[in-house]
Amino acid sequence: EPEVTQTPSHQVTQMGQEVILRCVPISNHLYFYWYRQILGQKVEFLVSFYNNEISEKSEIFDDQFSVERPDGSNFTLKIRSTKLEDSAMYFCASSGPGGRDQPQHFGDGTRLSIL
Amino acid sequence: AQSVSQHNHHVILSEAASLELGCNYSYGGTVNLFWYVQYPGQHLQLLLKYFSGDPLVKGIKGFEAEFIKSKFSFNLRKPSVQWSDTAEYFCAVNARDTGNQFYFGTGTSLTVIP
Repeated sequence: EPEVTQTPSHQVTQMGQEVILRCVPISNHLYFYWYRQILGQKVEFLVSFYNNEISEKSEIFDDQFSVERPDGSNFTLKIRSTKLEDSAMYFCASSGPGGRDQPQHFGDGTRLSIL
Repeated sequence: AQSVSQHNHHVILSEAASLELGCNYSYGGTVNLFWYVQYPGQHLQLLLKYFSGDPLVKGIKGFEAEFIKSKFSFNLRKPSVQWSDTAEYFCAVNARDTGNQFYFGTGTSLTVIP
């Protein structure tokens, strides 16, 4: 069964540095998402992306964050000037044609630790 | 905004016991409902989903869930749990007329004792 893959599995970064989290969605999927899960808290929506542009974003997704689909396969989340509170598990997800009427398939996540 | 409540934060059961995990959501419109499971060290996996039709939905590994619209609930059930069901379970809601994002509950940690 096709999977969403995320790299790296664990990223350790100094506060203030930029970090890029990478995701390869399932190949025929059209909708892409980023979520995060701070330790002990719920999974929170960050952003959705469709047709090469952001379709929705949450209050968490401020100017510090950006997403990009630089080629036909990768979907990246960039966090500029990281803060301690950015430490979390970041999940990428994708869904097929039909958007909200399709379940989202999640990657294994990237654990981001800000020191 | 929509919200999802999972009332049980941590459940401990013996093998063969029956399971019911509660999920309630707050949204007055039409929703898609999901249960995801996260086994230790693994990614979120879809257990089952409800879009429309029969409110009793059967998923993988013997799980089922019932959508009760009047109660805004989508409780997960399994008649007889196994040790391998030990995992974190997340209820998620997608409001069909407001976008693609999922709203997750805080999760329920299930520990099954052999």
